[in-house]
Amino acid sequence: AQSVTQPDIHITVSEGASLELRCNYSYGATPYLFWYVQSPGQGLQLLLKYFSGDTLVQGIKGFEAEFKRSQSSFNLRKPSVHWSDAAEYFCAVGPAYSGAGSYQLTFGKGTKLSVIP
Amino acid sequence: EPEVTQTPSHQVTQMGQEVILRCVPISNHLYFYWYRQILGQKVEFLVSFYNNEISEKSEIFDDQFSVERPDGSNFTLKIRSTKLEDSAMYFCASSFGQGYYGYTFGSGTRLTVV
Repeated sequence: AQSVTQPDIHITVSEGASLELRCNYSYGATPYLFWYVQSPGQGLQLLLKYFSGDTLVQGIKGFEAEFKRSQSSFNLRKPSVHWSDAAEYFCAVGPAYSGAGSYQLTFGKGTKLSVIP
Repeated sequence: EPEVTQTPSHQVTQMGQEVILRCVPISNHLYFYWYRQILGQKVEFLVSFYNNEISEKSEIFDDQFSVERPDGSNFTLKIRSTKLEDSAMYFCASSFGQGYYGYTFGSGTRLTVV
């Protein structure tokens, strides 16, 4: 069964500092990988996704992530964090195609990011 | 940008009562989903819906749960007899194709069972 591990429950960084959020996955085939962000009271917004090709993917809001197959990782990075980036970040892996025409996502537990002004 | 709309944002219900959570997916999307997140835990898949029928469901989605697309725009999740452990944030999502392009999620309904 596929799984996602986000080892950091809570990270605090200063505004302007760089950020890296870790994500490790377990999946039997080439995974599709996603990062979502959830601001308080908001839904899950897609930051970026990886399906194939270039292992460094760019997303919205200045985020990027690098797929490393040898390490089963898909870490999210941002060179300079803004106070508005404070939110919860979820890594997800898919598809888990069961033959029924659906591709459910498996999520990690999330990493809460706090930003010090 | 198109949005998935969920109502209500917060619902409190007594144990044993029926609740219906409502969602309006993006209009040209064909696949619809419900996920839930119990406080402090992972976001978990509940069910997917395509062509007016359930295409996949998790072991969480037992006989207490049902989904419906009653009128071509709304997508509902019904819990027949709520339990305390049903308290969670419920997310609706939709996608145009099968979800490998990523889903668009709603802002969630926080269900509290007392």
